Amino acid sequence: DTAVSQTPKYLVTQMGNDKSIKCEQNLGHDTMYWYKQDSKKFLKIMFSYNNKELIINETVPNRFSPKSPDKAHLNLHINSLELGDSAVYFCASSSRTAGSYNEQFFGPGTRLTVL
Amino acid sequence: AQTVTQSQPEMSVQEAETVTLSCTYDTSESNYYLFWYKQPPSRQMILVIRQEAYKQQNATENRFSVNFQKAAKSFSLKISDSQLGDTAMYFCAFMKDQGAQKLVFGQGTRLTINP
Repeated sequence: DTAVSQTPKYLVTQMGNDKSIKCEQNLGHDTMYWYKQDSKKFLKIMFSYNNKELIINETVPNRFSPKSPDKAHLNLHINSLELGDSAVYFCASSSRTAGSYNEQFFGPGTRLTVL
Repeated sequence: AQTVTQSQPEMSVQEAETVTLSCTYDTSESNYYLFWYKQPPSRQMILVIRQEAYKQQNATENRFSVNFQKAAKSFSLKISDSQLGDTAMYFCAFMKDQGAQKLVFGQGTRLTINP
């Protein structure tokens, strides 16, 4: 059984389009994350939700909007796609226990290509 | 803000050799976690090893071990008896103990194990 799954795995689209990436985890975690890996392989946090509440919102264009309908799902919607949005987007999840280590489990990634 | 630096963009060794990947970080936190992640060509992020900053003993996981120097803010990964399957990108990462537990990644080191 896949612990953290993302759909789709590959997404090719034209500039200006709107697209969504979906993430689901079946680990019973209460915290989910979106990371972006650019063309130089650099990984950076974008957002994090804990119990459907946004707790991390890095400097990301407001064309990116995360949505968490429940603790097991965190979707990423991107409006007016630009060439620079081409990247691999990783979803991750963890439990959030204060003062202790909480491993983040990563999904397989979604490679987004904007033409 | 925390930063993580990996100064070796690429490394290459022969199978069965030992290789050490370097990582330095900058933080004003006293309690935190450090990680090494492996990303093979499949792009899945795999946790290799973690170190709690409050522990003086270096973490080991089979062929993988770390040299954690807290005062120097250094966290290197040693891979012993390297195998072809160790070929991958390796990322050093930092996580605070308190607050929003986001992973801060280094730039990555591309490791190639040659037969």
